[in-house]
Amino acid sequence: AQTVTQSQPEMSVQEAETVTLSCTYDTSENNYYLFWYKQPPSRQMILVIRQEAYKQQNATENRFSVNFQKAAKSFSLKISDSQLGDTAMYFCAFKDNAGNMLTFGGGTRLMVKP
Amino acid sequence: NAGVTQTPKFRVLKTGQSMTLLCAQDMNHEYMYWYRQDPGMGLRLIHYSVGEGTTAKGEVPDGYNVSRLKKQNFLLGLESAAPSQTSVYFCASSYSKGTYEQYFGPGTRLTVT
Repeated sequence: AQTVTQSQPEMSVQEAETVTLSCTYDTSENNYYLFWYKQPPSRQMILVIRQEAYKQQNATENRFSVNFQKAAKSFSLKISDSQLGDTAMYFCAFKDNAGNMLTFGGGTRLMVKP
Repeated sequence: NAGVTQTPKFRVLKTGQSMTLLCAQDMNHEYMYWYRQDPGMGLRLIHYSVGEGTTAKGEVPDGYNVSRLKKQNFLLGLESAAPSQTSVYFCASSYSKGTYEQYFGPGTRLTVT
């Protein structure tokens, strides 16, 4: 079974600064998918960014980018120009090649301070 | 489009009672999922369905049953609720597997006393 580990339970960042959230995973597969989800206080789960393991290029979505290190099984999320609305829980998630099940990490609570 | 909706939003049950959570999606998605989220943890998959009339077990299926009689609906049942089932339940749907995004409902907070 795959496991996903987020080693930072809580983080804080000043508005307009950059922050990086860490995620590591364990799998024996070569093809898989990785995701970052945001869960604000409203509880709604929102997809932030996704990465296919077969793609070498790191995914980018506006202020959000990832550093995907396949050999190290690491998938960190970088948020640039942090905004107050980025305050939320962030979950890293893994989906295997069969693609049916998301395995989530324990989450990182991010607080953006004004 | 309403996306993914869940009914009810909140519920309190006594131990041993039964209930059904309803999930509906209007995006014509084939895949649907039920997750639970316990305090301080990520979501864990309970059951999922890859199409109308099919269901499969996820990571934590014990104590739950599901049915997918219509493509747009996915029901989660608790036959005899236990305090350990106190949690927030999320439904999700996706067009297909792999890289396709899972769209989540707003969640149902269930308390079993």
